[in-house]
Amino acid sequence: GNSVTQMEGPVTLSEEAFLTINCTYTATGYPSLFWYVQYPGEGLQLLLKATKADDKGSNKGFEATYRKETTSFHLEKGSVQVSDSAVYFCALNLEIQGAQKLVFGQGTRLTINP
Amino acid sequence: DAEITQSPRHKITETGRQVTLACHQTWNHNNMFWYRQDLGHGLRLIHYSYGVQDTNKGEVSDGYSVSRSNTEDLPLTLESAASSQTSVYFCASSRGLVPDTQYFGPGTRLTVL
Repeated sequence: GNSVTQMEGPVTLSEEAFLTINCTYTATGYPSLFWYVQYPGEGLQLLLKATKADDKGSNKGFEATYRKETTSFHLEKGSVQVSDSAVYFCALNLEIQGAQKLVFGQGTRLTINP
Repeated sequence: DAEITQSPRHKITETGRQVTLACHQTWNHNNMFWYRQDLGHGLRLIHYSYGVQDTNKGEVSDGYSVSRSNTEDLPLTLESAASSQTSVYFCASSRGLVPDTQYFGPGTRLTVL
C-alpha cells in the first residue's frame, strides 16, 4: 500500500544548528511529495512540495529533494531558529481512479532552544 | 481573504451524545476532507467529499458521518460519541488540481467523557 515513514521525534536542537528530518515513502504510482508544518495550536500549513523525481522544493530556508531511487524526501535547513519549533509532517499525494488522496507520516516534533 | 473555519474550537461532551463539528470554506473548493489527529498516528482521513452530494469514507470512518449540501460546508457528525473519539479534528479543502495542495482549518479539540 501507500505509506509515509518519518524519523521518530522529538528532535531538539540549538539555534543555528543544521536540521535533517528523514522521510521515506512507499507508493504504487508516481506521487507528489509535501512537507506540512503545524505550529502550536494551529492547523497544518504547506511548507514545500515537489511533483517529480529530482525536483527540489524550498521555502523559508527549508529544502527537500524528491529522490525516486531512494524513495525519500528528507527535509533540511542550514540554520534553524527558535521560530521553527513545530511539528513537521511529510505527505504524499496520489491520484487514484481520478481522486486525489493525501497520505501523512506520523509527524516529527521539533524544538529549537535559544 | 478566503479562509477555512471550524467551530467550535473546543468541545466537551458525554459518551452517547450526538455531536456535530462545523467546517466552512470560502475558497469555493470542490474537495473537502475531515481528519483526526492523535499522538503517534499523524493525521488519519475520516471522510471526504469531491463536490455537492458526494461523500466518501476514509480509513477511520466508523462512528462518523458527513453530508455535503453546498460547496462551502462539510459538517462532521459523531452519531453516538465514544471516548475513543477524543481527538483533535481538522477540516481541509482543495481545488482538486494535480498536485492537490490541501488547506487546513485551525482544528477542533473534542473531549468525550
